[in-house]
Amino acid sequence: AQSVAQPEDQVNVAEGNPLTVKCTYSVSGNPYLFWYVQYPNRGLQFLLKYITGDNLVKGSYGFEAEFNKSQTSFHLKKPSALVSDSALYFCAVRDDGAGSYQLTFGKGTKLSVIP
Amino acid sequence: NAGVTQTPKFQVLKTGQSMTLQCAQDMNHNSMYWYRQDPGMGLRLIYYSASEGTTDKGEVPNGYNVSRLNKREFSLRLESAAPSQTSVYFCAAKRGGSDTQYFGPGTRLTVL
Repeated sequence: AQSVAQPEDQVNVAEGNPLTVKCTYSVSGNPYLFWYVQYPNRGLQFLLKYITGDNLVKGSYGFEAEFNKSQTSFHLKKPSALVSDSALYFCAVRDDGAGSYQLTFGKGTKLSVIP
Repeated sequence: NAGVTQTPKFQVLKTGQSMTLQCAQDMNHNSMYWYRQDPGMGLRLIYYSASEGTTDKGEVPNGYNVSRLNKREFSLRLESAAPSQTSVYFCAAKRGGSDTQYFGPGTRLTVL
């Protein structure tokens, strides 16, 4: 079974500081990992994904994520936070050994960037 | 190119009423999904359709039915709404062979 955990319900960071939103996963095969962002009253928007290759993945809006197989983590990062980054962030996983294209989403982390 | 569209945006129902949530995509994607989003629960898959003519249950299918009308449209029906179905419902579409899902703007449903 595939699962994903976002250990923080909320992350607060000052504008201009680096930000990290944490995600850990559990799969039996190889993980396909995703980050999505949801702005208020909007649907989810794709940010980035890790399938294979470089452990550091770059995505939209200056975000990047680091895949760490030994720690089963896929943390989302940005070097300098903007107030406009304030949103709800979801990590998602698919187990390539599960025979299904279904994604399992985390519960979400609310990011607040303080001016 | 509108992507994934959903109607209605908002709906209030009384317990026992029925309704259909509509979803359409103009990306020519094979797979479509219905999720519900509840506070502190993330997104949970209700039903999905891997291709036109097929539908399968997800994590929380009870109380719902779906129809994949054609490649573009995937509807979600509540036959007898219950307060536990108060939620925000999202439709998503995905191209065959890809893992990236594209989401609609959502339908906020309240069941009184």
